[in-house]
Amino acid sequence: EAEVAQSPRYKITEKSQAVAFWCDPISGHATLYWYRQILGQGPELLVQFQDESVVDDSQLPKDRFSAERLKGVDSTLKIQPAELGDSAMYLCASSLGGEQYFGPGTRLTVT
Amino acid sequence: DAKTTQPPSMDCAEGRAANLPCNHSTISGNEYVYWYRQIHSQGPQYIIHGLKNNETNEMASLIITEDRKSSTLILPHATLRDTAVYYCIVRVATGGYQKVTFGTGTKLQVIP
Repeated sequence: EAEVAQSPRYKITEKSQAVAFWCDPISGHATLYWYRQILGQGPELLVQFQDESVVDDSQLPKDRFSAERLKGVDSTLKIQPAELGDSAMYLCASSLGGEQYFGPGTRLTVT
Repeated sequence: DAKTTQPPSMDCAEGRAANLPCNHSTISGNEYVYWYRQIHSQGPQYIIHGLKNNETNEMASLIITEDRKSSTLILPHATLRDTAVYYCIVRVATGGYQKVTFGTGTKLQVIP
């Protein structure tokens, strides 16, 4: 069964450092999502792509976060510089229709 | 803000049916009800979705009220592996853009 791949699974970084996460969606899924999930809360949408275009990045802190999906396939989410409050699980999901399929996530700890 | 309301937590005895309610009183005519679950430290997993008819798959059943303002996810024979946070969301199925908002979900604890 096809799955969404994410790497790394865990990342520890010091504040003010740069960090990047990678996501490979299920083949053929045009829509890709990045979510941030703080412990005890539901996932919060950061950015949504349709193919290579951003359709919603209203919740993305653009002063430090950036996301790209250059060829409309895999995607990278970057944080620079990282802050203590960025510690969270970063989830990637993809969809063809309405149901989203999530990857395992990247657990980020900023020290 | 989330367009759905769910109880924060529920318990269910192992082997019994788990019935998880969701209120979506402002649902639009073209919006579907989707259910996901998230087992600790994993990504959410799609379970089932429906528009107005009851739906069943190998994981669960979805009962949607006639006025579509609420629904219930049923796990017919809960096991310990069903302990998770369950999220109910509403969205259109295809076409156009719609922001998906997850609330805080229902934390289901299956008790031996």
